[in-house]
Amino acid sequence: KAGVTQTPRYLIKTRGQQVTLSCSPISGHRSVSWYQQTPGQGLQFLFEYFSETQRNKGNFPGRFSGRQFSNSRSEMNVSTLELGDSALYLCASSPERGGDTQYFGPGTRLTVL
Amino acid sequence: GENVEQHPSTLSVQEGDSAVIKCTYSDSASNYFPWYKQELGKGPQLIIDIRSNVGEKKDQRIAVTLNKTAKHFSLHITETQPEDSAVYFCAARSTGFQKLVFGTGTRLLVSP
Repeated sequence: KAGVTQTPRYLIKTRGQQVTLSCSPISGHRSVSWYQQTPGQGLQFLFEYFSETQRNKGNFPGRFSGRQFSNSRSEMNVSTLELGDSALYLCASSPERGGDTQYFGPGTRLTVL
Repeated sequence: GENVEQHPSTLSVQEGDSAVIKCTYSDSASNYFPWYKQELGKGPQLIIDIRSNVGEKKDQRIAVTLNKTAKHFSLHITETQPEDSAVYFCAARSTGFQKLVFGTGTRLLVSP
């Protein structure tokens, strides 16, 4: 099976812009979770989607949002970008909701100038 | 909520030596403990995991031990090889929060 894919792999944006990142889970996986990875804060949970519904949410401001489509593909959006949003954004998929075993994609490296 | 502490932050060993990375967690309801390896430019890769009803699990050169009473778990890598060099993350998950909480990572360097 193909692994989790994320597009684009790299993005450069300026403050105030918005950005949309995409994630395609492993075939048959219905749960998609998003994480932010930074040198200072490490890996932090953003949210989890299952059956097109957000099931769990981390402690991030409302500028961070996401959605999931009927084919389980997911997108996350960050509006009004800030310098501190520069990070590696990782997507992970799991076969079931709240599934323990999560498989990560390669991530999208976002740089905000 | 859950808090996971990981030590050491960096670990340098000679090829063939053993490496041990330790993590502690705060939520006694946590019942799943995975370990991930992250190489440069890649996402974390699951290398081994353990559930709270098991005290130890092995997979070739890698083993994980869990002490529920003390709320800590450890990753053991034997006969280390240069390709083991990477950043390793521990994590914990409780049924209550249903999300993975990660440790801060350990950079392992294996010198030939």
